[in-house]
Amino acid sequence: QVQLRESGPGLMKPSQTLSLTCTVSGGSIASGAYYWNWIRHHPAKGLEWIGHIYYSGSTNIHSGGSTSYTPSLKSRVNISIDASKNQFSLRLHSVTAADTAVYYCAREDGTRDFGLDVWGQGTTVTVSS
Amino acid sequence: DIVMTQSPGSLAVSLGERATINCKSSQSVLYSSKDKNHLAWYQDKPGQPPKLLIYWASSRESGVPDRFTGSGSGTDFTLTITSLQAEDEATYYCQQYYNTPYTFGQGTRLEIK
Repeated sequence: QVQLRESGPGLMKPSQTLSLTCTVSGGSIASGAYYWNWIRHHPAKGLEWIGHIYYSGSTNIHSGGSTSYTPSLKSRVNISIDASKNQFSLRLHSVTAADTAVYYCAREDGTRDFGLDVWGQGTTVTVSS
Repeated sequence: DIVMTQSPGSLAVSLGERATINCKSSQSVLYSSKDKNHLAWYQDKPGQPPKLLIYWASSRESGVPDRFTGSGSGTDFTLTITSLQAEDEATYYCQQYYNTPYTFGQGTRLEIK
């Protein structure tokens, strides 16, 4: 079965760019039609959807898939996919303490509309000077 | 953005009893052409990723005990957990995936007495 695993730095300084990678195992990121999502969970707060990238077997590898982001982060975030490595990535520019959170990657089946059915274990990111 | 509002914020229920969590969306999440509500429920425990319990407002994810039941349509939804077990202690979130940005409720903390 498909499994997701996040990787990236645990500690960041303000103004740096956060780069996280989600590695997909147990299946090809290019098979089927899926939305590959990033979500974060702030300390003592709830879940926040960051954005997703849609990728299917017919996606032009050079176009990299179509993306959608939450408006509050849209100016600082980029999600991309590397089908050759079975990975998708999150880049968040100019981080502040407010970006301290547990970051999750998650899959959504684009044809079945089941919600976010597969999640990574999460990776903690702390932004501190 | 669609705002998701859960109630109550927290509740404490005795072992074996029933818990009811409500979720209201600021606009309908019913896809009329599919007759499906794009509303999901997740269980969130410390140190674990959120777990999908219910999708389409009332369809149980594979492997989820039938003690968990989702109901509702349009803008008003309910998650009911019967015969509460100790392992049901968690925070529960509703989420709309009707359109982007996807949004979650603020969560309901369930304590088992």
